[in-house]
Amino acid sequence: GENVEQHPSTLSVQEGDSAVIKCTYSDSASNYFPWYKQELGKRPQLIIDIRSNVGEKKDQRIAVTLNKTAKHFSLHITETQPEDSAVYFCAAYTSNTGKLIFGQGTTLQVKP
Amino acid sequence: KAGVTQTPRYLIKTRGQQVTLSCSPISGHRSVSWYQQTPGQGLQFLFEYFSETQRNKGNFPGRFSGRQFSNSRSEMNVSTLELGDSALYLCASRGVSSSYNEQFFGPGTRLTVL
Repeated sequence: GENVEQHPSTLSVQEGDSAVIKCTYSDSASNYFPWYKQELGKRPQLIIDIRSNVGEKKDQRIAVTLNKTAKHFSLHITETQPEDSAVYFCAAYTSNTGKLIFGQGTTLQVKP
Repeated sequence: KAGVTQTPRYLIKTRGQQVTLSCSPISGHRSVSWYQQTPGQGLQFLFEYFSETQRNKGNFPGRFSGRQFSNSRSEMNVSTLELGDSALYLCASRGVSSSYNEQFFGPGTRLTVL
């Protein structure tokens, strides 16, 4: 079945450093890849997304890259701040099934 | 626009009971999806409803069911509750267009099964 692998499961960085989270999807028909941030006790919120016809997208300190051939996509956060601390989820939407499949999540801790 | 709302926010049940959770999507959104979130399993897709019809279903037993009403509000039912059903249940709504677009999540219902 459809699967999204996300690594690492936990990530600790110093404030100001960069953080990278990587995901791999299994279904080559996947064409939409959102990233969600979930703070403790709150609902997941979309922070950035990318479609399969685009290789890279940037929004201020966050960027997402997509390698369709390798079925990899990654989230890059630069100049991390303590308020970036949260759980981040990648997801892949597959048109064939109409399902949005989530990765297992990455707990990011930014140390002041 | 008001966001996605879910009721109740917290629920405590005992094994063997059944439970019904409710989700009201953003006005104009016709798609509602349900997810189960647990610390060990992350966000797992339960099912998606669109125009009162179940469009997709995840890998959950038949004890998990749902429905959608003509006003797009959706309910999820879990029968014969098990301890392992304790989780945060999230619903999400989205508008439907030719290409996939953003899902907006509700605050979730925290279900505890004793």
